[in-house]
Amino acid sequence: NAGVTQTPKFQVLKTGQSMTLQCAQDMNHEYMSWYRQDPGMGLRLIHYSVGAGITDQGEVPNGYNVSRSTTEDFPLRLLSAAPSQTSVYFCASSWDGYEQYFGPGTRLTVT
Amino acid sequence: EDQVTQSPEALRLQEGESSSLNCSYTVSGLRGLFWYRQDPGKGPEFLFTLYSAGEEKEKERLKATLTKKESFLHITAPKPEDSATYLCAVQAKSGGSYIPTFGRGTSLIVHP
Repeated sequence: NAGVTQTPKFQVLKTGQSMTLQCAQDMNHEYMSWYRQDPGMGLRLIHYSVGAGITDQGEVPNGYNVSRSTTEDFPLRLLSAAPSQTSVYFCASSWDGYEQYFGPGTRLTVT
Repeated sequence: EDQVTQSPEALRLQEGESSSLNCSYTVSGLRGLFWYRQDPGKGPEFLFTLYSAGEEKEKERLKATLTKKESFLHITAPKPEDSATYLCAVQAKSGGSYIPTFGRGTSLIVHP
């Protein structure tokens, strides 16, 4: 089992560029979510999904889109990158919405 | 608004020196309180879920307890490998929301 995988590990974008952060899990978990982690702010939920075809907004959804076409994959799209989106992004999955398994993270810098 | 406050922000211990980390919370109906461990440059790793006041869970040198207002993570005779940031999170029952609220974490350093 690979668990939760995220690509890329590092990314530098220029303001206005778009990109997709990839997340995949091989545990057949229904729940998947995206967080951002900023110094002094803790983890904040961006979007989450409770199953294929179902997504909902978290605490800080603006500037991000998600879709869930399969149980395994949950990509996060940055529509037009801004310096305020510089952060470390974590994807997580869960069987029941309680115990979450986190990926290794993507460190994104927007210049 | 759900709130989670962790204290202290940072804690330095000598190997073998037991201590406790605190997580105080305000939530309208607790669905679950979670503890995670995070090593530098890595994603959080799940430790415990607590569901109701009075509940306790243990794993090796760690013991988590829960009251109606706070949770403690007790570390008994810590070793240098226990050094990490410990995160607390709560999930509310209201409206069927799945949104957890994380605290800012306690950075623990255990010196040999």
